Amino acid sequence: QLQLQESGPGLVKPSETLSLTCTVSGGSISSSIYYWGWIRQPPGKGLEWIGSIYYGGSTYYNPSLKSRVTVSVDTSKNQFSLKLTSVTAADTAVYYCARHPGKVTSRYFDLWGRGTLVTVSS
Amino acid sequence: DIQMTQSPSTLSASVGDRVTITCRASQSIRSWLAWYQQKPGKAPNLLIYEASILDSGVPSRFSGSGSGTEFTLTISSLQPDDFATYYCQQYNTYSYTFGQGTKLEIK
Repeated sequence: QLQLQESGPGLVKPSETLSLTCTVSGGSISSSIYYWGWIRQPPGKGLEWIGSIYYGGSTYYNPSLKSRVTVSVDTSKNQFSLKLTSVTAADTAVYYCARHPGKVTSRYFDLWGRGTLVTVSS
Repeated sequence: DIQMTQSPSTLSASVGDRVTITCRASQSIRSWLAWYQQKPGKAPNLLIYEASILDSGVPSRFSGSGSGTEFTLTISSLQPDDFATYYCQQYNTYSYTFGQGTKLEIK
């Protein structure tokens, strides 16, 4: 059964870069059907989509974060990654990786990782 | 961006009640709407997609309806396991947005 697992530092200093990796297990990230995405949730608040990537490398991002976000994929490791630059306390959140079908009519998140809390603090 | 607004923000109900949560989009999203359930400390779980299609394994007491700008999630008879926070998400555009959430509490 396909599973997603986030990993990375739980504490990042202000102005630095947040880096997270999502490892896909039990299946291949190189599926032609799916995109792989990042979503975050500040403590006690709602969900915000960050960006998505196809195994071939095509990406698209939330316009409000686009200038600071890079999502990349490493098919040899069955992983995809998130980099968020110039972080502030407002970037403190639980970060989830998730999967969504690539069809225009099916872009809902049908499989999620457990999430990882990243705190931005000096 | 398309803004998604859920109401109410909090809903108090009892086991066995029928409850309805509303999600409104700032512009038409046709039927490209999903609903998720999230319990404390857990990732969201997909309930419904394309406004009304239940994901595999989701109990039939959950139902979704609507199109265009107004959508509803209905739970026909609340069970103890249903007390959670519910989110809608639009995927009509390549910039997905979620509602702010509706917390369903035990009365």
